[in-house]
Amino acid sequence: EVQLVESGGGLVQPGRSLRLSCAASGFTFDDYAMHWVRQAPGKGLEWVSGISWNSGSIGYADSVKGRFTISRDNAKNSLYLQMNSLRAEDTALYYCAKDQDFDWLLFPHDAFDIWGQGTMVTVSS
Amino acid sequence: SSELTQDPAVSVALGQTVRITCQGDSLRSYYASWYQQKPGQAPVLVIYGKNNRPSGIPDRFSGSSSGNTASLTITGAQAEDEADYYCNSRDSSGNLVVFGGGTKLTVL
Repeated sequence: EVQLVESGGGLVQPGRSLRLSCAASGFTFDDYAMHWVRQAPGKGLEWVSGISWNSGSIGYADSVKGRFTISRDNAKNSLYLQMNSLRAEDTALYYCAKDQDFDWLLFPHDAFDIWGQGTMVTVSS
Repeated sequence: SSELTQDPAVSVALGQTVRITCQGDSLRSYYASWYQQKPGQAPVLVIYGKNNRPSGIPDRFSGSSSGNTASLTITGAQAEDEADYYCNSRDSSGNLVVFGGGTKLTVL
């Protein structure tokens, strides 16, 4: 079964850090680009970051650039999001999502065909 | 604010046809993908590319594009189609991914 399972969310104080993980199974992980997408409570979807199959193409939304770092470990079939200098506006459900292509920047189709169930991040004092 | 604009809410009578639109300058150069999200669930890809449906998506869902507007059409809407629908594509630079603000579809 094709599956993405996020973990690492929780309650964190403003200014602190958190690392999210996404474990992939049921498909050849290193054949595909991956993304993080978040959804604040009661709000819409917001793309956070994307990474190509070999980590050669990486991009960030302006709202997180300089604070968040995406990475992947193909040997472990895992995707990560290191979140530093967290703010209240980063409070959201964070989803990892699989791209249909191996390089999200080279192939701008942006079709995210598999999603995890999300991990909740709450930034509050 | 998003570079892709969607109507916040749309309604359709059961069995009728509804079109949900997504507007943005980048859509002149890039296709949009469409996602369905029901309460408490993760989004599901329903349309991508010119007009492609992933396996398992009913053929009542279709996509089209003209100028700066992409459209998702549901022909013969069913009660289970009631959900939030999001488009995504590129920003004006082509280097970042953006989502539309979402459209809440109500099936009457």
